[in-house]
Amino acid sequence: ETGVTQTPRHLVMGMTNKKSLKCEQHLGHNAMYWYKQSAKKPLELMFVYSLEERVENNSVPSRFSPECPNSSHLFLHLHTLQPEDSALYLCASSETSGRLNEQFFGPGTRLTVL
Amino acid sequence: RKEVEQDPGPFNVPEGATVAFNCTYSNSASQSFFWYRQDCRKEPKLLMSVYSSGNEDGRFTAQLNRASQYISLLIRDSKLSDSATYLCVVTGGTSYGKLTFGQGTILTVHP
Repeated sequence: ETGVTQTPRHLVMGMTNKKSLKCEQHLGHNAMYWYKQSAKKPLELMFVYSLEERVENNSVPSRFSPECPNSSHLFLHLHTLQPEDSALYLCASSETSGRLNEQFFGPGTRLTVL
Repeated sequence: RKEVEQDPGPFNVPEGATVAFNCTYSNSASQSFFWYRQDCRKEPKLLMSVYSSGNEDGRFTAQLNRASQYISLLIRDSKLSDSATYLCVVTGGTSYGKLTFGQGTILTVHP
């Protein structure tokens, strides 16, 4: 399925590196989300964008910086990360940001911070 | 207390068995409820929404008890392909789609 794509699929970076994760949705949706999935922990919502405006920043450290240039694309810019930031980062989209809308997830980027 | 709590399992059942998963949530303002399925090293996918009246989709039945803040998922006639992690998910308290996930229950169906 190619509804929501994410690149890269795997990323290894040092603590001083700067990298970006990219998400693209081909479903015509208006809302996009970033989630973090760490081992043995529930998925955690990080950011919500609705019509390209951020509507939620769930107490995420500033070393994670989202960008939503249009309703089809979402980026997560990473800088000076910590080893505990190693996780699976999932992007999702939904038709609107309403709570009844099904969210479709991308395959995720598996990030390792050394 | 966790916002959404599930028995992590793992549940190991033979093909054809019936298995039930339970979930409790702490926010009484929660308004929408879902079960997602996540295969190993894959993304979560919506299995079914959960309605107050209960709903069924083939071999899967979901129930919601708002008074007890409890959600269940019943799988009948388990198949090998049902092996996955089942995530209990709730939304509510905000106007936008903030999903709160449980830790997931691991199911393994064996021959």
